[in-house]
Order: sequence, then structure tokens, then C-alpha cells
Amino acid sequence: QLQLQESGPGLVKPSETLSLTCTVSGGSISSSSYYWGWIRQPPGKGLEWIGSIYYSGSTYYNPSLKSRVTISVDTSKNQFSLKLSSVTAADTAVYYCARQPFYGDYVETYWYFDLWGRGTLVTVSS
Amino acid sequence: QSVLTQPPSASGTPGQRVTISCSGSSSNIGSNYVYWYQQLPGTAPKLLIYRNNQRPSGVPDRFSGSKSGTSASLAISGLRSEDEADYYCAAWDDSLSGGVFGGGTKLTVL
Repeated sequence: QLQLQESGPGLVKPSETLSLTCTVSGGSISSSSYYWGWIRQPPGKGLEWIGSIYYSGSTYYNPSLKSRVTISVDTSKNQFSLKLSSVTAADTAVYYCARQPFYGDYVETYWYFDLWGRGTLVTVSS
Repeated sequence: QSVLTQPPSASGTPGQRVTISCSGSSSNIGSNYVYWYQQLPGTAPKLLIYRNNQRPSGVPDRFSGSKSGTSASLAISGLRSEDEADYYCAAWDDSLSGGVFGGGTKLTVL
């Protein structure tokens, strides 16, 4: 059974770069049937999509975060990663990684996440 | 302010049928599929409905989704205490060129 697990520092200082990794187990990240995404949720608030990546390295990002976000993939380790630069307190959130089905046409046609990690809380504070 | 508008709260008694609305525009719900997620307290979201009205394997048929024009709805029939959770709608927005979530609806089972 495929599982996703987020890992990374729980505390990041303002203006620094937040870095998280999602490890996929029980299946291959190189499947042609999926993109892999990051979503975040500030404490007590709603969900916000950050961006998604294909095993080939193709990415697409939330336009509101695009200037600060980099998502990369390491197929040899079955992992994908998130980097968010110049963080502020507003970036404090639970960060989730998730699997996004891909049907071989436009990625926007079926934009949804069918399997999620448990999430990891990242606090931005000095 | 979320692009997709949901009521912040909803409630019902056990056995009742409740509906949660999600209002959007022609650039999101009006032209793309709608998805629904359930988030139980302290847990990650779970996919409840995909492509407007499809249920993933394992989701009870008490849950159903519908879409009309620029609005969508999630209906829960035979309400149970374990349905108490936050529910989010989601859709791709062509104008924003990004995926968007509704603000979420907290369902209370009285």
C-alpha cells in the first residue's frame, strides 16, 4: 500500500528557506499515472495548493507562490522536495504531500489528490 | 477570501440529510470538475468525491456530489456522528491558472 511521509525542520527563521521532503513508499514515484503535489494549511485555516511535479521533472505552481517555490524530484530515492524561499510568519502551516492522478492529457483537467501524507507542521519564527 | 465560497458551518442530527454548497464562477466550477475532501479533526484531508460526482473506492454511497452551472453541492444522507469534520470543495481555475480550494465547511452532528 503506497504511503507518503513528509520530513524536514519544524522551525524556520524569517527570510530563510523552508525545505521539506516527501518520501514515497510502497510504490514508485516514476509511475506515468501520477503527479506529486504539495498543499499547505495554516493553523485553523483552509487548504492552499503550492505546486506539483511529474517524475520527469515537469512542474506547475500556484501563481501566487511561484516566485518563491521550487519543487524537485529524486527518482533514485523515491522522493520529491519543496523549497520555499524568503519565508515569513504567514508561511507557518501544516505542509502535506499528496499523490495527484494524471490521465495523460492536460494536467489541469483532473486536478485532485487521492492520497495524502500525514502532514508536518512548519513554524516560521525567530 | 477564497475563490470558491462555502458556508463556514453546517449541522444536522443523526440520520438526517445535509447538503454543503460550493459557489464559484465560469472560470472554475463552470468549466472544470469539482472535487470534495473530508478532513476529520487532526488528520489529513481525504478525497471524498472526484469529477463532480464519483466516489473513490471505500467511500460510502451516503456521500454524493452534484454540479450545476457555477455551483456544486455535497450531500450526506443518513448522517452519522463520525461524519463530523471539515469539508472542502476544490476545482481548477482557468483564469488564475491554478487549483483552488473553498474555505471549508465545518459540519457538526448534533
